[in-house]
Amino acid sequence: GENVEQHPSTLSVQEGDSAVIKCTYSDSASNYFPWYKQELGKRPQLIIDIRSNVGEKKDQRIAVTLNKTAKHFSLHITETQPEDSAVYFCAASTEGANNLFFGTGTRLTVIP
Amino acid sequence: GAGVSQSPSNKVTEKGKDVELRCDPISGHTALYWYRQSLGQGLEFLIYFQGNSAPDKSGLPSDRFSAERTGGSVSTLTIQRTQQEDSAVYLCASTWGGSYEQYFGPGTRLTVT
Repeated sequence: GENVEQHPSTLSVQEGDSAVIKCTYSDSASNYFPWYKQELGKRPQLIIDIRSNVGEKKDQRIAVTLNKTAKHFSLHITETQPEDSAVYFCAASTEGANNLFFGTGTRLTVIP
Repeated sequence: GAGVSQSPSNKVTEKGKDVELRCDPISGHTALYWYRQSLGQGLEFLIYFQGNSAPDKSGLPSDRFSAERTGGSVSTLTIQRTQQEDSAVYLCASTWGGSYEQYFGPGTRLTVT
């Protein structure tokens, strides 16, 4: 089955700096890669996703890149703000498959 | 509109007792998922329901775990003879057939003493 690894497990950045979180996956059939943000005590919420037919997707300060050959994808947050502090989870799935395989999460702390 | 709801929000139970966790998905969502999130860990898939199809139970960790979905809406996750290692937050998510975005409920924090 699919195995998703996520790094780093914790990340601290100064407000205004960029943050990068990286994930790798094992199943070359995976073609859907969402990122979820989970604030303390709250439910995970989708913030951005990418499908394998594109290499990059951007939404304001958030971007995701995908390298299918290397089987890794990354989340980039620019101009970080304190409200970006949360745990971020990457996931991988095959379209039509029943479930998402999640990474173990990255706790991002943005220092004001 | 209303999001995914779960009850109870917190449950403390003694080892060996059975527990039932409830999930109310977003109205109209045909797919429903259960996940388990242990402290400091990622989200572990447990079971998936899609319409009237047979559920995908491949993630259930043991036969003490079961789930059902009545009328294609509300779902109940049952854990029999609970063990301390069952302590975790149990999250439910739903989506409609044409989307891959899963909408999560607030979770039920289960503590087995």
